[in-house]
Formats: sequence, structure tokens, C-alpha cells
Amino acid sequence: GENVEQHPSTLSVQEGDSAVIKCTYSDSASNYFPWYKQELGKGPQLIIDIRSNVGEKKDQRIAVTLNKTAKHFSLHITETQPEDSAVYFCAASDGANSKLTFGKGITLSVRP
Amino acid sequence: DAGVIQSPRHEVTEMGQEVTLRCKPISGHNSLFWYRQTMMRGLELLIYFNNNVPIDDSGMPEDRFSAKMPNASFSTLKIQPSEPRDSAVYFCASSSAGGDQFFGPGTRLTVL
Repeated sequence: GENVEQHPSTLSVQEGDSAVIKCTYSDSASNYFPWYKQELGKGPQLIIDIRSNVGEKKDQRIAVTLNKTAKHFSLHITETQPEDSAVYFCAASDGANSKLTFGKGITLSVRP
Repeated sequence: DAGVIQSPRHEVTEMGQEVTLRCKPISGHNSLFWYRQTMMRGLELLIYFNNNVPIDDSGMPEDRFSAKMPNASFSTLKIQPSEPRDSAVYFCASSSAGGDQFFGPGTRLTVL
């Protein structure tokens, strides 16, 4: 089955700096890669996703890149703000309606 | 739209008792997913339904766990009998065909 690994497990950045979170996956059949943000006491919230037919997708301060050859994808957050502090999960699936395999999550701390 | 609705938000029970968690998916979504989140194991998929039919229950820990989806707008996850190691946050998520998964706020279960 699919295995998704996330690196690093914690990340601390200064407000205004960029943050990059990396994930690797094992199943070459995976073609859908969402990213979720989870704030304390809340459920994971979808923030951006990418499908295997594109290499990059942007939405304001966040972007996701995908390298299918290397089986890794990354979340980029620019101009970080304290409210970006949360746990971020990457996931992979062979279809948006199928089961998602999640990484372990990374705790991002943005220092004011 | 109200989003995915879960009840109760918090449940404290004693070992051996039956626990029933409830979920109302987003109207129009035809897939429903039950997840369990713990510090040690992260976010695990327990079971998911398409059009009210269980598709994959390989993540259900053991026979003490059961899930039903009697109609498109309601699902339950039952634990009988409950054990302390079942303590976790249980999330329900829903999606439309080919669409993204949206999570509910979760039920925090504590088994004493």
C-alpha cells in the first residue's frame, strides 16, 4: 500500500520568512496530493491540492510542487504570519474519492 | 453549507461501555470517511463508504468497532465494549465524486 513520509517533523521560522514542507510517497499510481492544515482543537482543513498532470500550483501565499519522477511533493508558504502556525499534513491517493494516506504531520511555528 | 457535523464533540466514558459517534456529511456528498487521530499513530483511516456502501474497512482495529451508514445523510461509528486504548479524536470526512475531502470538527473520546 501507499506510504507517505513527511520531513521535517517540526519547523520554526521567523515571521515573514518562507517555509517549505516536504513529503515523499511510494505508490507510483498515486495521482492526487492534498495538503491539510490543522489548528488546535479543530479538524484538518484542506488548503491546497495538486494532481499529477501539473507540476506546480499556487494560491496566494501558498504553493505546492510535485516531482513524479522522484515521488515527492512540497508545500511552500511565503511571507509567513503567526496565524500560519499549525500542524500541516500531506496526503496521497490514487483518486480524489478514494482513501487518502496521510503523512505524520509537521508542526509549523511562526515566531513573531 | 454547515459543513460536516459530528456529535458529540466530547465523550467521556468508562471502560466496557458502548460508545456511539455520529456524523452528518455535507449534503450532496456521496463518500464518507471515518478517521482516528492519536499522537502515536497520527491520522488513520478506519473505514469509508461510497453511496452508503462500505468499501474498505481494513483500518477498523478489531471487532469491537463497527460503522453504519443507513442513508446518505447519517453515519455512526460504534465501539462496544470500549477500552482505554480507544481514547483518541475521531474525525468524519465527506466528499463528492472526484472531489476533495472535508473534515468535521471531530469527537474527542476519553475512555477511563
